[in-house]
Amino acid sequence: QVQLVESGGALVKPGGSLRLSCEASGLTFRAYFMTWIRQAPGQGLEWVAYISSSGTTMYYADSVRGRFTISRDNDKSSLFLQMNSLRVDDTAVYYCARDIGTTGNFDLWGQGTLVTVSP
Amino acid sequence: DIQMTQSPSSLSASVGDTVTITCQASQDISVNLNWFQQKPGKAPKLLVYHASNLETGVPSRFSGGGSGTDFSLTISSLQPEDIATYYCQQYENLPPVTFGGGTKLELK
Repeated sequence: QVQLVESGGALVKPGGSLRLSCEASGLTFRAYFMTWIRQAPGQGLEWVAYISSSGTTMYYADSVRGRFTISRDNDKSSLFLQMNSLRVDDTAVYYCARDIGTTGNFDLWGQGTLVTVSP
Repeated sequence: DIQMTQSPSSLSASVGDTVTITCQASQDISVNLNWFQQKPGKAPKLLVYHASNLETGVPSRFSGGGSGTDFSLTISSLQPEDIATYYCQQYENLPPVTFGGGTKLELK
């Protein structure tokens, strides 16, 4: 079964850190670009970060650049998002998603993991 | 960054109706546009890619169209299971990928 499963979401205080994971199964993980997309409660979708299949190229949204780091371990079919200096407005469900090409076509999503940043 | 403007933001329709959602890009994006469906508590699901191509398994009552700056998603003969929020997303110029604000579709 082809799937992505996120984990690591939690309640954290402003200024804190958190590391999200996304484990892939049923697909050749190392072949795909991957991304993180988030959704604040009751709000729309916001792209967060993007990583090439080899892990050598990363892109970030302006809102997280310098605070978040995307990485991957192709041997373990896993994607990560290290989040530092968390702010209240980082509160969201975080989804990992597969890019079917290299162009921003996200055809497979995980179920999401909730990050809550609150004093 | 390319801005995506969806309309309407919400829509009420009856079973069997034909519903059209529009999405406008702030600049020419050719046909580099996707449509997603999101049901409450669930992840978004890709419906239409490259503006008009139906993802495998998506019912044929869904159709996408447009190019350049103006796009549409049409649902013909609306079914109860189509109640969801719909998002457009451009991939002409990334980063960043950008999404429309969403259209919440409800049953009348």
